[in-house]
Amino acid sequence: NAGVTQTPKFQVLKTGQSMTLQCAQDMNHEYMSWYRQDPGMGLRLIHYSVGAGITDQGEVPNGYNVSRSTTEDFPLRLLSAAPSQTSVYFCASSYSLGGTLTYEQYFGPGTRLTVT
Amino acid sequence: AQTVTQSQPEMSVQEAETVTLSCTYDTSESDYYLFWYKQPPSRQMILVIRQEAYKQQNATENRFSVNFQKAAKSFSLKISDSQLGDAAMYFCASLPETGANNLFFGTGTRLTVIP
Repeated sequence: NAGVTQTPKFQVLKTGQSMTLQCAQDMNHEYMSWYRQDPGMGLRLIHYSVGAGITDQGEVPNGYNVSRSTTEDFPLRLLSAAPSQTSVYFCASSYSLGGTLTYEQYFGPGTRLTVT
Repeated sequence: AQTVTQSQPEMSVQEAETVTLSCTYDTSESDYYLFWYKQPPSRQMILVIRQEAYKQQNATENRFSVNFQKAAKSFSLKISDSQLGDAAMYFCASLPETGANNLFFGTGTRLTVIP
């Protein structure tokens, strides 16, 4: 298993450009999440999904869109990049067991995004 | 919502010594999980130890142990026999049992290990 993969590892954008951060997992996990990590702020939840076709907002959703058309993929779209979106982005997945949520969170390696 | 506070932005420890990292949290949930994650320079988030809130016994994983004080909402991490490879950012996090399995993180503590 590859686990949770993220592409690209690094990206530089100009203000106003759009792009998609890719996240995929091959563990058949129902739950997937996007976090951003800023210096001195810890990780904060952007969007999450509890299954294919279902998404919801987290703590800091503005400026981002997500969709979940398959169990495996959960892309994060930046609509019009702003310098405030300069951050490290982590994708994570997790699963339930017999209908009960588990605590296991599997993180991807992160994408470092710089917006100039 | 849950909030997690780490009041020590930086800590240092001599190799082979013991260090304790502090964490407090606030939650209205009756059932939740608490975690310590390690983030080395590679950026990878690595689970160090977890604690189920309903368990009174403190969790232990080799050189890592926690002091869980539920009434005080405190969850500190003790690293014994510190090694150079322990140098990293450490994040305390909480996860409510209800909801969508999403973590609430503290702001992190950077641990330096001095040879």
